[in-house]
Amino acid sequence: QVQLVQSGAEVKKPGASVKVSCKASGYTFSDYYLHWVRQAPGQGLVWLGWINPNSGGTNYAQKFQGRVTMTRDTSISTAYMELSRLRSDDTALYYCARAMYSGSYSVDYWGQGTLVTVSS
Amino acid sequence: EIVLTQSPATLSLSPGERATLSCRASQSITGYVAWYQQKAGQAPRLLIHNASNRATGIPARFSGSGSGADFTLTISSLEPEDSAVYYCQQRSNWLSITFGQGTRLEIK
Repeated sequence: QVQLVQSGAEVKKPGASVKVSCKASGYTFSDYYLHWVRQAPGQGLVWLGWINPNSGGTNYAQKFQGRVTMTRDTSISTAYMELSRLRSDDTALYYCARAMYSGSYSVDYWGQGTLVTVSS
Repeated sequence: EIVLTQSPATLSLSPGERATLSCRASQSITGYVAWYQQKAGQAPRLLIHNASNRATGIPARFSGSGSGADFTLTISSLEPEDSAVYYCQQRSNWLSITFGQGTRLEIK
């Protein structure tokens, strides 16, 4: 069965960076884009971008351009999302999610989420 | 960036009633609209993709429709477990994906 397992919760100071991992299993990692979505406490969903695990190609939401970097390691079926220059309003639950089909915008499997707290 | 506006913000209905949730885009978009259900403490769940296609395992009481800038999620006969927040999502082009702000559905 498809599973996405994310790394554990992080606490960071303003200005620092955080790197969240997402380990995939149960399918061919290179065949499906992975999206990253975040959700601040009590708020809605915000799309950060996607990575094509096959090519390593990425596309980031304009709001996060210059601060977000998505990478992958195909040898261990793991994707990463790094967010730099953290601010308090970056405090959120960060999800990785698998595209429904190869390059789909819609996602059908989600990780459990990684809580990132930014606090001085 | 295309903005999605969902209405109403909150909807309170009884079991067996019909729910109609709206998602309006700031400009006309293709039919690349998806709907998700999120229950408290859980990750979102895909309900509908490409405006009207039910995802695998989704009950037939959930349906999607719409075109242009107006899209709708309909739940034909509400069950108690349908209580959740519902989000629409669009892909106007492959480089820009956005979510609506959500509609909270309460089952009385």
